[in-house]
Amino acid sequence: SQQGEEDPQALSIQEGENATMNCSYKTSINNLQWYRQNSGRGLVHLILIRSNEREKHSGRLRVTLDTSKKSSSLLITASRAADTASYFCAPVRANAGNMLTFGGGTRLMVKP
Amino acid sequence: DADVTQTPRNRITKTGKRIMLECSQTKGHDRMYWYRQDPGLGLRLIYYSFDVKDINKGEISDGYSVSRQAQAKFSLSLESAIPNQTALYFCATGVAGIYNEQFFGPGTRLTVL
Repeated sequence: SQQGEEDPQALSIQEGENATMNCSYKTSINNLQWYRQNSGRGLVHLILIRSNEREKHSGRLRVTLDTSKKSSSLLITASRAADTASYFCAPVRANAGNMLTFGGGTRLMVKP
Repeated sequence: DADVTQTPRNRITKTGKRIMLECSQTKGHDRMYWYRQDPGLGLRLIYYSFDVKDINKGEISDGYSVSRQAQAKFSLSLESAIPNQTALYFCATGVAGIYNEQFFGPGTRLTVL
């Protein structure tokens, strides 16, 4: 399947530090989306990057996409304790509508 | 997201029982999805519906069925629950188009004993 694989599986940092999470996928995509999940809650969309984009910003979030390497990264700058959550990438294949497939996610803990 | 609601939020049942999980949305979206999440894992798609007359199987549809009663309602049934269906179940909605996000409900925690 075209699920994304996030790396690392878990990340623990101090408040104020930056957090970087990576995503790899296997086939050509039309876009890639990042979602956040607080413990036991539903996923919330963070940001979408199209296949013809290389970088995108939204507040403290920066997403990059390298289609030649089939990889993406999510950077959270100046992290806060409230950023503690699991983060999932969802690559969207061309001709697959907006079907999402998810990997296991990165569990981020930000210590105050 | 309060625009997508799920009932019940928690349910404990026994093996062999029929269970229905309900999802309602006020977002006016045509597309609705059911996912399950097992501990420490990502979400896997069970069924999806692009409009009231359209139902499609997802990655793991065996043991499940769905009903799209109206644009705003999409129900998931476990005909005869088994313990390995213990999981967190999420409903999501979306609009047509490949550049659009999905909106998730708060989830239903189902335990099958």
